[in-house]
Amino acid sequence: DSGVTQTPKHLITATGQRVTLRCSPRSGDLSVYWYQQSLDQGLQFLIQYYNGEERAKGNILERFSAQQFPDLHSELNLSSLELGDSALYFCASSRSGTGANVLTFGAGSRLTVL
Amino acid sequence: DQQVKQNSPSLSVQEGRISILNCDYTNSMFDYFLWYKKYPAEGPTFLISISSIKDKNEDGRFTVFLNKSAKHLSLHIVPSQPGDSAVYFCAASEAVTGKLIFGQGTTLQVKP
Repeated sequence: DSGVTQTPKHLITATGQRVTLRCSPRSGDLSVYWYQQSLDQGLQFLIQYYNGEERAKGNILERFSAQQFPDLHSELNLSSLELGDSALYFCASSRSGTGANVLTFGAGSRLTVL
Repeated sequence: DQQVKQNSPSLSVQEGRISILNCDYTNSMFDYFLWYKKYPAEGPTFLISISSIKDKNEDGRFTVFLNKSAKHLSLHIVPSQPGDSAVYFCAASEAVTGKLIFGQGTTLQVKP
């Protein structure tokens, strides 16, 4: 157990729908990162929050949004889902949001869009 | 624009031999590099890292080498064990945000 909790582990939904993925960071970590791993692809950075504020943005689609709440948990919202959104979504956390940083990853949420 | 590249999708080695995984990067502003290991149905787990001020870092059977002039790093596993079979990701850290840019991964198979 890495200390980073992601729910749900698996999610199957239809095109056009909206889903919310949830992440609880490791205790004491202030920064949360979201990554997407599509089939046979590497980990693509989506977005980073630090202590409730957006810190960095990657190639995140406009249909996707995220936020970090005062208790530091984070949610990734995916809307108007398309088949190509099927992927593993990983959340990671770290103590700081800068510098030499080791990210601790959760087990991921597997999204299947039918 | 792939800033971190792992050009070998897979590698197969015999138990007890050395495994060498390679990684190249393009952004000279990266100053911290990491290797993560990933088993199926699990998240990536941190393995070893190296700062740009060093050229080598060892942790047990794992050694990471950094060649800044070539923008190249490698992970050596000696001796390789069947339990090392996994996908290995190379990552580079952006100093300002701390976010990691990952390579595509190399699947290592260690045969008994």
